[in-house]
Amino acid sequence: AQRVTQPEKLLSVFKGAPVELKCNYSYSGSPELFWYVQYSRQRLQLLLRHISRESIKGFTADLNKGETSFHLKKPFAQEEDSAMYYCALSGGRETSGSRLTFGEGTQLTVNP
Amino acid sequence: NAGVMQNPRHLVRRRGQEARLRCSPVKGHSHVYWYRQLPEEGLKFMVYLQKENIIDESGMPKERFSAEFPKEGPSILRIQQVVRGDSAAYFCASSPSLLAGYNEQFFGPGTRLTVL
Repeated sequence: AQRVTQPEKLLSVFKGAPVELKCNYSYSGSPELFWYVQYSRQRLQLLLRHISRESIKGFTADLNKGETSFHLKKPFAQEEDSAMYYCALSGGRETSGSRLTFGEGTQLTVNP
Repeated sequence: NAGVMQNPRHLVRRRGQEARLRCSPVKGHSHVYWYRQLPEEGLKFMVYLQKENIIDESGMPKERFSAEFPKEGPSILRIQQVVRGDSAAYFCASSPSLLAGYNEQFFGPGTRLTVL
């Protein structure tokens, strides 16, 4: 069974501080990991995926297979980063289509 | 490109009534997914459909829930004889034809169902 855990429901930091949103997963095969973000009154949107190895809006995430983690990091948080962040997993070709398994989300608040 | 459209945005039903949730995918997308988000929880997969086919319904409750994605028109998630526990936000996502791997899912704004 596949499972995604985000241990922090709420995370509050000050502007300019580093931020790390934790994500751990459980999956027996080779997963694909994603971070989705939902800004206030907007729909869920893809922030980044591990296979792209890119930085979006200053955020990066590295897949650590040994620790089964995919933590999201940003060195200097901005107020506009305040949003709900969801970590998600797909089994890729090993499951049907691209169904996603989501964590419960972390509400990030960046204070001025 | 208006993106994924869902309607209604809010739906109120009394126990025992039927709820019909509609999802129009991004133009050209042939894959539709439905997810449910209960209060204080993350999104949970319900069903994956392609045009006229249910591919994976392993996340659907065995009774009262059904989904379709006809050749023409939107995808429909139907809940018969709703109960209070069905109150949740229901999200639809669409993706283009699968290539050799994952295709990004585009999410709709969701339908918030309240059962009185």
